[in-house]
Amino acid sequence: GAVVSQHPSWVICKSGTSVKIECRSLDFQATTMFWYRQFPKQSLMLMATSNEGSKATYEQGVEKDKFLINHASLTLSTLTVTSAHPEDSSFYICSARATGGVQPQHFGDGTRLSIL
Amino acid sequence: QKEVEQNSGPLSVPEGAIASLNCTYSDRGSQSFFWYRQYSGKSPELIMFIYSNGDKEDGRFTAQLNKASQYVSLLIRDSQPSDSATYLCAVVASSASKIIFGSGTRLSIRP
Repeated sequence: GAVVSQHPSWVICKSGTSVKIECRSLDFQATTMFWYRQFPKQSLMLMATSNEGSKATYEQGVEKDKFLINHASLTLSTLTVTSAHPEDSSFYICSARATGGVQPQHFGDGTRLSIL
Repeated sequence: QKEVEQNSGPLSVPEGAIASLNCTYSDRGSQSFFWYRQYSGKSPELIMFIYSNGDKEDGRFTAQLNKASQYVSLLIRDSQPSDSATYLCAVVASSASKIIFGSGTRLSIRP
């Protein structure tokens, strides 16, 4: 149980392109989903917390107009990197937490984004 | 002071030995604690969680929690080369709004 599906797993695109990443909880409902970014050999960096039906909460230093988050249902959150540039190249990972009580976060497999 | 602190390592342990990974946290009101394993280039996977003081065992893994000392650890018995990874300690803040991750300890099991 507790499967989180993230798609796509790998994206290569030109500078200036917008890229959408999907995160789905397959066998549970997730009121809250989280988006992380991880650069090589560095730790996870929380970008934003996505709440179903409300605006996402962004961490300090993360541009909300650059990284658009939509959490339209209890099983789907999307992250759109708008007008991506080479410095946005990174490993983006989503995670989801089931509703009810204190639940662990379950991670998707991540999306490796390369901007040329 | 970081909210969740871990020694970055690398921690090198011979195959078959016990690997001991440590984590301290600053929020005394924290109630839930998790250990994740992350292989290079992959996303983290949950391996253990612990809520109560004491030890919790699951196969070769034992999580230990001491809330008075604000300390949580993970022991891996009979270490295998496949255990080589980065281990992330995670703590649910007392507000329960999010999980705070440590920066991880890199573990290397040498044959």
